[in-house]
Amino acid sequence: DTAVSQTPKYLVTQMGNDKSIKCEQNLGHDTMYWYKQDSKKFLKIMFSYNNKELIINETVPNRFSPKSPDKAHLNLHINSLELGDSAVYFCASSQDRRRTWTSANSYNEQFFGPGTRLTVL
Amino acid sequence: AQRVTQPEKLLSVFKGAPVELKCNYSYSGSPELFWYVQYSRQRLQLLLRHISRESIKGFTADLNKGETSFHLKKPFAQEEDSAMYYCAPYTNAGKSTFGDGTTLTVKP
Repeated sequence: DTAVSQTPKYLVTQMGNDKSIKCEQNLGHDTMYWYKQDSKKFLKIMFSYNNKELIINETVPNRFSPKSPDKAHLNLHINSLELGDSAVYFCASSQDRRRTWTSANSYNEQFFGPGTRLTVL
Repeated sequence: AQRVTQPEKLLSVFKGAPVELKCNYSYSGSPELFWYVQYSRQRLQLLLRHISRESIKGFTADLNKGETSFHLKKPFAQEEDSAMYYCAPYTNAGKSTFGDGTTLTVKP
């Protein structure tokens, strides 16, 4: 069973179009994330949701809108795609960001999806 | 400001040689520290975390609070260790920051 899945795996589209990427986790985690990995392999957090509530929004353009219908899903919708949006987008989840880690447990280990390679032409 | 630094973008060693991937962080409080690895065309996955103090695939990482470092080490590198490695502090504010990554190449 795939723990964190994303669809589609590849997305090629024209500038100006609107597209969505879906993410699902079957781990029962409370927190989900979206990351962008650019051509230099830099990995930047975009959004973080905890129990369907947005907790982090890292200076991402308004064209990007995350949607969490339930805590197992976090979708990313992008309006008016631009060339600079071309990247690999990773979804991730972790158990619960609110708990303080202990020597016995880590609630903050993140499990990543396979990534969605977005190419904007 | 909170930040994490991986000073080497590229690191190349020969098989059997020791390898050390550096990570320095600047965070208030007590972040939890992780190393993640991304093998070619695969998803990122956890390599190890500082709280467990374990050795995974021969790698260890020691948290040095005085130097605010969490360097990743392996005494004898293998070709299958070639990958991208990210250091990632995590705070209870829900913020996870990834370093810029180090691409490790182990040559035969």
